[in-house]
Amino acid sequence: DAGITQSPRYKITETGRQVTLMCHQTWSHSYMFWYRQDLGHGLRLIYYSAAADITDKGEVPDGYVVSRSKTENFPLTLESATRSQTSVYFCASHNALAGGVLNNEQFFGPGTRLTVL
Amino acid sequence: AQSVTQLDSQVPVFEEAPVELRCNYSSSVSVYLFWYVQYPNQGLQLLLKYLSGSTLVKGINGFEAEFNKSQTSFHLRKPSVHISDTAEYFCAVSLIYNQGGKLIFGQGTELSVKP
Repeated sequence: DAGITQSPRYKITETGRQVTLMCHQTWSHSYMFWYRQDLGHGLRLIYYSAAADITDKGEVPDGYVVSRSKTENFPLTLESATRSQTSVYFCASHNALAGGVLNNEQFFGPGTRLTVL
Repeated sequence: AQSVTQLDSQVPVFEEAPVELRCNYSSSVSVYLFWYVQYPNQGLQLLLKYLSGSTLVKGINGFEAEFNKSQTSFHLRKPSVHISDTAEYFCAVSLIYNQGGKLIFGQGTELSVKP
Protein backbone atom coordinates (compact mmCIF):
# COMPACT_ATOMS: atom_id res chain seq x y z
CA ASP A 1 0.00 0.00 0.00
CA ALA A 2 1.21 3.44 -0.86
CA GLY A 3 1.55 6.06 1.86
CA ILE A 4 2.18 5.66 5.55
CA THR A 5 0.86 2.72 7.51
CA GLN A 6 0.88 1.77 11.17
CA SER A 7 0.46 -1.57 12.85
CA PRO A 8 -1.24 -2.76 14.86
CA ARG A 9 -4.19 -0.37 14.78
CA TYR A 10 -5.31 -1.47 18.23
CA LYS A 11 -3.29 -3.03 21.03
CA ILE A 12 -4.08 -4.00 24.61
CA THR A 13 -1.19 -4.93 26.84
CA GLU A 14 -0.33 -5.20 30.51
CA THR A 15 1.89 -3.07 32.71
CA GLY A 16 5.52 -4.08 32.42
CA ARG A 17 5.31 -5.72 29.02
CA GLN A 18 7.35 -4.65 26.02
CA VAL A 19 5.36 -3.36 23.07
CA THR A 20 6.52 -2.32 19.61
CA LEU A 21 4.47 -0.12 17.33
CA MET A 22 5.37 -0.25 13.66
CA CYS A 23 5.42 2.55 11.11
CA HIS A 24 6.13 2.13 7.41
CA GLN A 25 6.17 4.74 4.63
CA THR A 26 6.55 4.20 0.90
CA TRP A 27 7.58 7.72 -0.13
CA SER A 28 11.25 7.51 0.92
CA HIS A 29 10.73 10.58 3.08
CA SER A 30 13.82 11.40 5.07
CA TYR A 31 12.10 12.66 8.22
CA MET A 32 9.84 10.52 10.37
CA PHE A 33 8.10 11.33 13.64
CA TRP A 34 6.24 9.69 16.49
CA TYR A 35 3.54 11.62 18.35
CA ARG A 36 1.15 10.67 21.10
CA GLN A 37 -2.32 12.15 21.32
CA ASP A 38 -3.97 12.67 24.68
CA LEU A 39 -7.10 14.59 25.55
CA GLY A 40 -6.28 18.17 26.45
CA HIS A 41 -2.72 17.94 25.17
CA GLY A 42 -3.13 17.74 21.44
CA LEU A 43 -0.24 15.84 19.87
CA ARG A 44 3.14 15.75 21.53
CA LEU A 45 6.35 14.68 19.85
CA ILE A 46 8.04 11.59 21.30
CA TYR A 47 10.95 11.01 18.91
CA TYR A 48 11.91 11.93 15.41
CA SER A 49 14.43 10.80 12.84
CA ALA A 50 16.18 12.80 10.14
CA ALA A 51 17.42 9.75 8.24
CA ALA A 52 18.36 6.11 8.75
CA ASP A 53 20.40 5.71 11.93
CA ILE A 54 19.75 9.33 13.02
CA THR A 55 17.20 9.80 15.79
CA ASP A 56 16.54 12.45 18.40
CA LYS A 57 14.29 13.06 21.36
CA GLY A 58 11.16 15.12 21.24
CA GLU A 59 9.08 16.61 24.01
CA VAL A 60 8.07 13.39 25.82
CA PRO A 61 10.69 10.66 25.15
CA ASP A 62 10.85 8.96 28.56
CA GLY A 63 9.89 5.29 28.48
CA TYR A 64 10.23 5.00 24.71
CA VAL A 65 12.93 3.71 22.39
CA VAL A 66 13.18 4.12 18.62
CA SER A 67 15.37 2.80 15.87
CA ARG A 68 15.66 3.42 12.16
CA SER A 69 17.76 0.92 10.30
CA LYS A 70 15.89 1.48 7.04
CA THR A 71 14.52 4.73 5.62
CA GLU A 72 10.99 3.37 5.29
CA ASN A 73 10.55 1.97 8.81
CA PHE A 74 10.48 3.72 12.16
CA PRO A 75 9.39 1.41 15.00
CA LEU A 76 8.55 2.73 18.46
CA THR A 77 9.15 0.47 21.45
CA LEU A 78 7.77 0.78 24.94
CA GLU A 79 10.31 -1.25 26.89
CA SER A 80 8.15 -1.65 30.00
CA ALA A 81 4.68 -0.30 29.42
CA THR A 82 2.97 1.83 32.05
CA ARG A 83 -0.65 2.94 32.35
CA SER A 84 0.37 6.51 31.62
CA GLN A 85 1.39 5.34 28.15
CA THR A 86 -2.19 4.52 27.26
CA SER A 87 -2.72 6.81 24.29
CA VAL A 88 -3.18 7.06 20.56
CA TYR A 89 0.14 7.03 18.73
CA PHE A 90 0.66 8.65 15.36
CA CYS A 91 3.54 8.25 13.00
CA ALA A 92 4.27 10.95 10.43
CA SER A 93 6.79 11.74 7.72
CA HIS A 94 7.80 14.61 5.50
CA ASN A 95 9.91 15.19 2.43
CA ALA A 96 12.70 17.46 3.53
CA LEU A 97 15.33 18.46 1.03
CA ALA A 98 18.88 17.43 1.74
CA GLY A 99 20.46 20.16 3.80
CA GLY A 100 17.22 22.07 4.17
CA VAL A 101 13.51 21.83 4.71
CA LEU A 102 10.70 22.32 2.23
CA ASN A 103 7.65 23.43 4.11
CA ASN A 104 7.41 21.04 7.02
CA GLU A 105 4.09 19.59 5.87
CA GLN A 106 3.80 16.23 7.56
CA PHE A 107 1.80 13.23 6.41
CA PHE A 108 0.22 11.15 9.12
CA GLY A 109 -0.56 7.49 9.51
CA PRO A 110 -3.95 6.27 10.78
CA GLY A 111 -2.76 5.83 14.35
CA THR A 112 -2.42 3.02 16.88
CA ARG A 113 -4.69 3.00 19.89
CA LEU A 114 -2.73 1.49 22.79
CA THR A 115 -4.28 0.50 26.10
CA VAL A 116 -2.06 -0.51 29.00
CA LEU A 117 -3.92 -2.35 31.76
CA ALA B 1 10.39 28.15 22.78
CA GLN B 2 7.29 28.00 20.64
CA SER B 3 3.75 27.36 21.79
CA VAL B 4 0.29 27.17 20.27
CA THR B 5 -2.98 27.95 22.00
CA GLN B 6 -6.35 27.05 20.59
CA LEU B 7 -8.76 29.24 22.42
CA ASP B 8 -11.82 26.99 22.27
CA SER B 9 -11.80 23.31 23.16
CA GLN B 10 -15.30 22.77 21.77
CA VAL B 11 -17.31 24.70 19.22
CA PRO B 12 -20.92 23.67 18.60
CA VAL B 13 -22.56 25.21 15.53
CA PHE B 14 -25.64 24.64 13.42
CA GLU B 15 -25.40 23.43 9.85
CA GLU B 16 -24.93 26.20 7.24
CA ALA B 17 -23.79 28.67 9.90
CA PRO B 18 -20.34 30.31 9.71
CA VAL B 19 -17.60 29.18 12.06
CA GLU B 20 -14.27 30.49 13.30
CA LEU B 21 -11.74 28.37 15.18
CA ARG B 22 -9.17 30.49 16.93
CA CYS B 23 -5.44 29.86 17.14
CA ASN B 24 -2.72 32.00 18.69
CA TYR B 25 0.94 31.16 18.68
CA SER B 26 4.08 32.34 20.42
CA SER B 27 7.50 32.32 18.80
CA SER B 28 10.55 34.56 18.74
CA VAL B 29 11.46 33.39 15.23
CA SER B 30 9.57 32.98 11.99
CA VAL B 31 7.31 29.97 11.70
CA TYR B 32 5.19 28.09 9.24
CA LEU B 33 1.56 27.65 10.25
CA PHE B 34 -0.77 24.74 9.65
CA TRP B 35 -4.28 23.57 10.28
CA TYR B 36 -4.95 19.85 10.36
CA VAL B 37 -8.27 18.04 10.63
CA GLN B 38 -8.87 14.69 12.30
CA TYR B 39 -12.06 12.80 11.53
CA PRO B 40 -13.17 10.16 14.05
CA ASN B 41 -10.80 7.20 14.25
CA GLN B 42 -8.54 8.57 11.54
CA GLY B 43 -5.15 10.21 11.25
CA LEU B 44 -4.56 13.89 10.66
CA GLN B 45 -5.09 15.47 7.27
CA LEU B 46 -3.72 18.83 6.19
CA LEU B 47 -6.40 21.50 5.68
CA LEU B 48 -4.16 24.41 4.78
CA LYS B 49 -0.79 25.98 5.45
CA TYR B 50 0.83 29.37 5.54
CA LEU B 51 4.42 29.55 4.34
CA SER B 52 4.78 33.11 3.05
CA GLY B 53 3.08 35.63 0.78
CA SER B 54 -0.63 36.40 0.99
CA THR B 55 -1.88 36.30 4.55
CA LEU B 56 -5.20 34.78 3.48
CA VAL B 57 -4.78 31.11 2.81
CA LYS B 58 -7.40 28.89 1.21
CA GLY B 59 -7.54 25.20 1.92
CA ILE B 60 -9.61 22.16 1.19
CA ASN B 61 -13.33 21.76 1.89
CA GLY B 62 -14.00 25.50 1.74
CA PHE B 63 -11.85 26.43 4.74
CA GLU B 64 -9.60 29.46 4.87
CA ALA B 65 -7.32 31.03 7.44
CA GLU B 66 -5.75 34.42 7.90
CA PHE B 67 -2.26 34.96 9.23
CA ASN B 68 -2.02 38.02 11.45
CA LYS B 69 1.59 38.63 12.40
CA SER B 70 0.94 41.54 14.77
CA GLN B 71 -1.58 39.49 16.75
CA THR B 72 0.32 36.21 16.25
CA SER B 73 -2.89 34.52 15.22
CA PHE B 74 -3.97 32.09 12.53
CA HIS B 75 -7.72 31.71 12.83
CA LEU B 76 -9.58 29.18 10.69
CA ARG B 77 -12.92 30.10 9.09
CA LYS B 78 -15.64 28.61 6.98
CA PRO B 79 -18.65 30.63 5.82
CA SER B 80 -21.11 27.73 5.87
CA VAL B 81 -20.44 24.43 7.63
CA HIS B 82 -21.80 20.98 6.85
CA ILE B 83 -22.50 18.01 9.07
CA SER B 84 -19.47 16.34 7.50
CA ASP B 85 -17.20 19.05 8.97
CA THR B 86 -17.69 17.54 12.42
CA ALA B 87 -14.15 16.67 13.49
CA GLU B 88 -11.26 17.77 15.64
CA TYR B 89 -9.10 20.58 14.30
CA PHE B 90 -5.50 21.20 15.22
CA CYS B 91 -3.43 24.29 14.71
CA ALA B 92 0.33 23.74 14.49
CA VAL B 93 3.55 25.66 13.92
CA SER B 94 7.04 24.70 12.88
CA LEU B 95 10.26 26.65 12.63
CA ILE B 96 11.19 27.73 9.15
CA TYR B 97 14.82 26.81 9.58
CA ASN B 98 16.41 23.64 10.96
CA GLN B 99 15.10 21.27 13.61
CA GLY B 100 13.69 18.98 10.97
CA GLY B 101 10.26 20.49 10.73
CA LYS B 102 8.98 19.34 14.09
CA LEU B 103 5.39 20.40 14.58
CA ILE B 104 4.13 21.99 17.77
CA PHE B 105 0.42 21.44 18.13
CA GLY B 106 -2.32 23.23 19.94
CA GLN B 107 -4.66 21.28 22.18
CA GLY B 108 -7.29 20.85 19.48
CA THR B 109 -10.79 22.21 18.92
CA GLU B 110 -13.70 19.84 18.58
CA LEU B 111 -16.14 21.18 15.99
CA SER B 112 -19.61 19.75 16.32
CA VAL B 113 -22.05 20.61 13.54
CA LYS B 114 -25.69 20.08 14.41
CA PRO B 115 -28.60 19.78 11.96
